[in-house]
Amino acid sequence: AQTVTQSQPEMSVQEAETVTLSCTYDTSENNYYLFWYKQPPSRQMILVIRQEAYKQQNATENRFSVNFQKAAKSFSLKISDSQLGDTAMYFCAILLYNFNKFYFGSGTKLNVKP
Amino acid sequence: DSGVTQTPKHLITATGQRVTLRCSPRSGDLSVYWYQQSLDQGLQFLIQYYNGEERAKGNILERFSAQQFPDLHSELNLSSLELGDSALYFCASSAGGRNTEAFFGQGTRLTVV
Repeated sequence: AQTVTQSQPEMSVQEAETVTLSCTYDTSENNYYLFWYKQPPSRQMILVIRQEAYKQQNATENRFSVNFQKAAKSFSLKISDSQLGDTAMYFCAILLYNFNKFYFGSGTKLNVKP
Repeated sequence: DSGVTQTPKHLITATGQRVTLRCSPRSGDLSVYWYQQSLDQGLQFLIQYYNGEERAKGNILERFSAQQFPDLHSELNLSSLELGDSALYFCASSAGGRNTEAFFGQGTRLTVV
């Protein structure tokens, strides 16, 4: 069975500071992608960043970067220079693309304080 | 705009009733996923269809059913509604295979009174 675990239900960070959200996953498959989605108060699900499991290099999108540790099955999200607009629920997800199946973690609520 | 359309946006109905939620995936996407999100909760996977066929089932109640039509749109039917069914119901679509991600619709907010 595949699982995605986000062990931090809620986190806070000061504006302009850096915060790291944790995610671990478990799968016996070799072909997968990992994602971080953001859900602001509007409840829209927005893709933040994705990582191909076969790539060693960590993905980066502007202020967002990941620390992908394949052997440890860890996929954390680092947000640099946090902004008030980053306040949202963040979900980690895994896609097993041979089976086209998505699994989501339970989410981490991030509050950026002014 | 993700390209995934869900209708209606909001729905208020009484207990015991039946409703149908509709999802039009992005053009060309073969996979449709349905998720339920209760207030301040995570995404609960309900069911997935791929090119018209059921691919995976999550914790979907027997009172709920879904289907994907030949034009690839999908409908989620919820019957004998209970107060606890009040939630945000998301549809997501993906193309399948590599180089893909799930694109989410705006969700349907269901309130059972």
